[in-house]
Parts: sequence; structure tokens; C-alpha cells
Amino acid sequence: QVQLVQSGAEVKKPGASVKVSCKASGYTFTTYYMHWVRQAPGQGLEWMGIINPSGSTTYAQKFQGRVTMTRDTSTNTVYMDLSSLTSEDTAVYYCARDPTSSSGRTYFDYWGQGTLVTVSS
Amino acid sequence: QSVLTQPPSASGTPGQRVTISCSGSSSNIGSNTVNWYQQLPGTAPKLLIYTNNQRPSGVPDRFSGSKSGTSASLAISGLQSEDEADYYCAAWDDSLNDYVFGTGTKVTVL
Repeated sequence: QVQLVQSGAEVKKPGASVKVSCKASGYTFTTYYMHWVRQAPGQGLEWMGIINPSGSTTYAQKFQGRVTMTRDTSTNTVYMDLSSLTSEDTAVYYCARDPTSSSGRTYFDYWGQGTLVTVSS
Repeated sequence: QSVLTQPPSASGTPGQRVTISCSGSSSNIGSNTVNWYQQLPGTAPKLLIYTNNQRPSGVPDRFSGSKSGTSASLAISGLQSEDEADYYCAAWDDSLNDYVFGTGTKVTVL
């Protein structure tokens, strides 16, 4: 069965960086797109970006210059690195699998369990 | 700031039908497919409806989706207590080149 297992909670100081991992299993890792979505406490969902099967990335305008998404095909793991953290980056971060190959039809059929990142001095 | 607008709340008694609207524009709903996600308290979102009106395996047929022009809607018929959750619409936005989510609707079963 498809599983996306994320790394554990993190506490970071303002200005620091955080790297969240998402280990995939149960399907052919190299044939699916992966997205990252975050949710601040009590708030809605916010798309951060996508990494495609070839490793190319597209980031939401809001995070460009601050986010980096990578993947390791030897371990079936994708990573999301967010730098220059502020308190507004405190949120639960999710990875989510996209079974489509078209941005216009994008949807997320499986989600990771979420990783809480807390930014506090 | 979300570009897809949903009512903040909706409610109904068990067995009733509840409808949630999602209003967008020509650059998102008007030109791309709409998806709906259900988020139970303290859990990750779950895909409920994809490509406007398709249900993934395992999703009860009480849930249905539709789209017309730049708006979409989610209907829950035969409302059940386990349907209490937050619901989000979403679509790709060609102008922003982003995947955008709705503002979210909290459904309460009275």
C-alpha cells in the first residue's frame, strides 16, 4: 500500500533553516510528482511547490528563493528545505503525491502524516 | 490569501443534505479541474473528489462534486456525524502558476 512517512517535529530559531523528509513506499517512486503543502495553526492549506519525476521543481511565488525541494531516488525520499525562518513559518508541513502529469488536472491522492515545524526564539 | 472562496461554515442534522460552494475565476476553476479534500480534526487532508466529480475508491457515494463556469460545489447527502470536518476545494491557477486552495468550510452535524 502507498505510504508517505515524514520526519519528526522540529523546533527552530528565527533565521534558521529546516529540512523535512518524506519517505515513499508502495509504488514506483520515480513516476510520480510530489508536492509540499503547509498549514499554519488554525489556518487553511497553502501550496508550496512541486518536484517532478525528473527532479525538476516549481515553487509557489511566495516561497521562491527560500525553499528547495530535492529527492533521493536511492531511498525513495523527497526533501523540503525552508530557509530564513520566521514565526510565520510555524506550521504543519505535508508532502502529497500527485498521480497526474498535468498541472491543470493536479490533485493529491496520498498525503504524509505531517511534520510540525515550530519557529520560536 | 486564498483565491478560491468558500463559506466559512455549513451545518445540518443527520440525514440532511449539505452543499458547499467554491467560487473562483477564469484562471483557476474556469480553466482547470476542481478537487475537494476532507480534513478531520488533527489529521492530514484526504482526497474526497477529484477532476470535478470523481470519487476515489472508498469514498461513499454520499459525496458528490460539480463544476459550472468559475464555480464548483460539493454536496453531502445523508449527512452523518463522521462527516464533521473541514472541507477544501482546490485547483491549479494558470495566472499564478500555483495550486490554490479554497478558504475552507467547517461542516458541523447538529
